[in-house]
Amino acid sequence: GQQLNQSPQSMFIQEGEDVSMNCTSSSIFNTWLWYKQDPGEGPVLLIALYKAGELTSNGRLTAQFGITRKDSFLNISASIPSDVGIYFCAGHPWDSSNTGKLIFGQGTTLQVKP
Amino acid sequence: ETGVTQTPRHLVMGMTNKKSLKCEQHLGHNAMYWYKQSAKKPLELMFVYSLEERVENNSVPSRFSPECPNSSHLFLHLHTLQPEDSALYLCASSPGTGSSYEQYFGPGTRLTVT
Repeated sequence: GQQLNQSPQSMFIQEGEDVSMNCTSSSIFNTWLWYKQDPGEGPVLLIALYKAGELTSNGRLTAQFGITRKDSFLNISASIPSDVGIYFCAGHPWDSSNTGKLIFGQGTTLQVKP
Repeated sequence: ETGVTQTPRHLVMGMTNKKSLKCEQHLGHNAMYWYKQSAKKPLELMFVYSLEERVENNSVPSRFSPECPNSSHLFLHLHTLQPEDSALYLCASSPGTGSSYEQYFGPGTRLTVT
């Protein structure tokens, strides 16, 4: 089946540092979504991207829809302790039937040292 | 209540028990989903419902039985589960298949099978 490769798998950074993570696919997607999951909770939608090359911000978070339509990036600027959690990318394949089925990355675990 | 709610939040059951998980969405969405989240694994899609009709069953064992009585409610009936079924079960909803692909998740039910 289709897969998303999300990297890095985990990050341990100092408070105040910037963070970058990305997802790549072997096929074309028409939607990219980024979620954050706190322990014991469900994923929360952070940013949605719908057009190739689109760059969207949500506070200190910025995400981009790659121009090849096969990748997406999430950047977090000036990290703070509450940024700790697992970040997931998700995409809707271009050639998918309209069941709304998303493909999810394996997640990036972020830890922030105060 | 707002968003997507799930009950119970935690459930411990024996292998011979029958239990049900409940999900309710207050977003006016037309599509609902069940996912299984195990440690160190990507989210696994189990079932998709669109306008109360099941549109996808991802080769899920028959010991999991979904029910969608209306577009706001989704149940997952559990019967004779195995210890490997222990996981976080997440419900999600989206505006509708073929429309926006943004999915909104509930907090999940942490299931432990003993």
